[in-house]
Amino acid sequence: DAKTTQPPSMDCAEGRAANLPCNHSTISGNEYVYWYRQIHSQGPQYIIHGLKNNETNEMASLIITEDRKSSTLILPHATLRDTAVYYCIVRVEAGGTSYGKLTFGQGTILTVHP
Amino acid sequence: DTGVSQDPRHKITKRGQNVTFRCDPISEHNRLYWYRQTLGQGPEFLTYFQNEAQLEKSRLLSDRFSAERPKGSFSTLEIQRTEQGDSAMYLCASSQGPLGHGYTFGSGTRLTVV
Repeated sequence: DAKTTQPPSMDCAEGRAANLPCNHSTISGNEYVYWYRQIHSQGPQYIIHGLKNNETNEMASLIITEDRKSSTLILPHATLRDTAVYYCIVRVEAGGTSYGKLTFGQGTILTVHP
Repeated sequence: DTGVSQDPRHKITKRGQNVTFRCDPISEHNRLYWYRQTLGQGPEFLTYFQNEAQLEKSRLLSDRFSAERPKGSFSTLEIQRTEQGDSAMYLCASSQGPLGHGYTFGSGTRLTVV
């Protein structure tokens, strides 16, 4: 699975959009971009994923550049409860040899302040 | 079904003792994963089960570690002769298939070896 690079920490004001970047310059054509987050004392939680098109769900939006070498997770109106570690993961889907495991980096600590 | 359950939530043990953790996955999920997470790091993959078969083990899983999923339902992770370096959060996750957005993590068991 391709390696990802994320800033170690970011701050965001409550109510503003949080834009979390991720670089994955060695991503392969069949690798998806996933975002998970981990709130303190909890296990990671799935947020969103995409292959090459931008995606949106009730939690967030995912913007993937045209060359797929980077992406941005957008939390449109951050709240204090969005304070967490955010992980960007790239991996192949079904049919790969990884048996579906997720490979986590160190992630970005997002702090949302009042 | 309330999600993935892990027991105990916290365990303090003396160096050299054996410990066992339990994970109850979501009932219809046939895949079960164990991860280990140390302070400030992302979760690291330990092992994976599909039904009762253990199909992949990380090199992190030394011979002091053993995992079972005897009937394809709950799983146990045992650590023999614990060392201080085993202190970590042990996370269990389950999924119905290999898709990366289908993972559900438990809240983990925090092990402290003194």
